[in-house]
This record gives sequence, C-alpha cells and structure tokens, in this order.
Amino acid sequence: EIVMTQSPATQSVSPGEAATLSCRASQSVSSKLAWYQQKPGQAPRLLIYDASSRATGIPARFSGSGSGTEFTLTISGLQSEDFGIYYCQQYNNWLGTFGQGTKVEIK
Amino acid sequence: QVQLQESGPGLLKPSETLSLTCNVSGYSIRSGFYWGWIRQTPGKGLEWLGSIWHSGSTYYRPSLVGRVNIGFHMSTNHFFLELKSVTAADTAVYYCARGLCLGTADCYKDLFDTWGQGALVTVSS
Repeated sequence: EIVMTQSPATQSVSPGEAATLSCRASQSVSSKLAWYQQKPGQAPRLLIYDASSRATGIPARFSGSGSGTEFTLTISGLQSEDFGIYYCQQYNNWLGTFGQGTKVEIK
Repeated sequence: QVQLQESGPGLLKPSETLSLTCNVSGYSIRSGFYWGWIRQTPGKGLEWLGSIWHSGSTYYRPSLVGRVNIGFHMSTNHFFLELKSVTAADTAVYYCARGLCLGTADCYKDLFDTWGQGALVTVSS
C-alpha cells in the first residue's frame, strides 16, 4: 500500500494570501495524484486530478504541480470559502490511498 | 445533474451486517461509470472500500475481501454496500460516489468526482 504523507498538518492563512500544501508518496505515483477539499459536515470535493488538471467548476486560484513522489497544491488569494481540510490521493497503484489531510484555517 | 444519496441503518451491533443503499438521480447507473463506496474515520481517515463498474464487475479493498459486497439493486437506480461481521472499527461515515471518467475509455474506480452527503454508521453493543 502506498502511504501518502501531507504537510503541514495545519496551515494558518490570512484571506487574500496564498497557501501551499505538500503531499509526498512513499513510492512513485507518476502523475496520478488528486486533491480534494472537505468542509465540516460535507463530503470531499474533487479539486485537482492528474496532479495539475482542475476538475469541472474549480476556480483557477487552485493549482496543482508535481510528479513522482512530491506534489503541491497552491491556493492563490485565499477566500473565506476555501478554509477547510485538503486531502491528496494517489490512484496510480491498484489500491488508491489518501493522505491524512492538511487543515487550512483562518489566521 | 447527478446526485447521490446514502441511506440505511445508523446503528448496528457487533457481528451484524452493515447494509447501505445509494440512490442515484440524474443518470442511469447501468449506462456508464464506476460507482464506489468510501468511508471516513477520525483514526484511519478516508478509505476506498470498493467499486462496481456499470456492467457489474466489482473491485474491493484487499483487506475487506470476503466481508464486503457491492451490487446493483435490480430494476432501480440504486447500488448497495454490504459489510459482514462488523466491529467497532467499522464505525465511520460512509460515502457513495461516482468514479471520474476522462472521455469514454479512461475511467477510474477509485477517483471520485461526485459524492453523496455521507451516512454515519455506528457499531456498538
């Protein structure tokens, strides 16, 4: 099973600033990496797939990069609705696995 | 617009069978896509449990093989999850979801673009 490790556990950001979230895979997952956003009481929402492709309806302020074992999600100009928990997920291996999440909170 | 909604008992006793149904509206589930189940716990986070292809082929998390079953309810637009012999470790929020397809031939069993709201299932004696 590929282990996904996210950092930091919590990031405090002021509205309008940028947030940079990291995700590391225990072995190469090529570009088969997705990012989800989850708010309290809601299901995860797909933001990014294939490491850098935005899902339908996702604003351009969300961008993903990386390949192999190191990935980054950048949120430019954070808005109030962007606060929540962000998860990465690999789907390169037969068994897709998720990271433990990074909480983005208001500074 | 495709929507998914989970339903089923919220409280089970150890050794019972968890049964959840996902009602899909806005799309015929036998026409395309993978349809899957994911659970979320504070301890283990998000875990993919299994998926069913629209043709009926199933794929399960290896650690759950023998305990899990996913299928379609006949003559309805529902699919279901069964998990036998539950324990407290199976207490979780269970989500049903649709697998992402990029074009007609590039579909994923464990990458999901549309989710239900989730159903809390508690296992307690």
